[in-house]
Amino acid sequence: QQQVKQSPQSLIVQKGGISIINCAYENTAFDYFPWYQQFPGKGPALLIAIRPDVSEKKEGRFTISFNKSAKQFSLHIMDSQPGDSATYFCAASRTGANNLFFGTGTRLTVIP
Amino acid sequence: KAGVTQTPRYLIKTRGQQVTLSCSPISGHRSVSWYQQTPGQGLQFLFEYFSETQRNKGNFPGRFSGRQFSNSRSEMNVSTLELGDSALYLCASSVSSYEQYFGPGTRLTVT
Repeated sequence: QQQVKQSPQSLIVQKGGISIINCAYENTAFDYFPWYQQFPGKGPALLIAIRPDVSEKKEGRFTISFNKSAKQFSLHIMDSQPGDSATYFCAASRTGANNLFFGTGTRLTVIP
Repeated sequence: KAGVTQTPRYLIKTRGQQVTLSCSPISGHRSVSWYQQTPGQGLQFLFEYFSETQRNKGNFPGRFSGRQFSNSRSEMNVSTLELGDSALYLCASSVSSYEQYFGPGTRLTVT
């Protein structure tokens, strides 16, 4: 079954707006939660990642919010730009296992 | 620092053939993981190699295999190709655990 569930499948946001993508997981052994950005014809690029000992991590316009009790985490993209238009994947893994379990992806379109 | 490189970038094979894909990790990275990406199944983990040993394996048939060399370069092999093996095969490298950096992938088309 899908170990990491991601929503929405697609998202359209106006330039300057906030893009929010949500993910949920079941396996409480997961302790590493990265987000990847993928452009057509390219491999996924690591954007930002969080461990469960913090509830939020911010890097530039990208913020991860993490809710351990709800087993959910989300990516917020502030001041969204057309260049942010891409597919975003959340993922999860556990210590000692370098196998990432990916969500199904969110195709983000930022309209100028 | 150079990123992860994968060769070839594109490949067309016929059902029943076998194929070998290559991955060169970022310098200093000892872990190499392989993933398959398809529109239907998304990104799925194939296997991981660390210091020439397979450390983790996903749920793929035995037709999918890999190896890692002493310089950390890795190859994956798919034997007896099926139409459903058409996919983007991605290689990711990391120092040991956690942060994985992906290459551009090899687009395999099986006809």
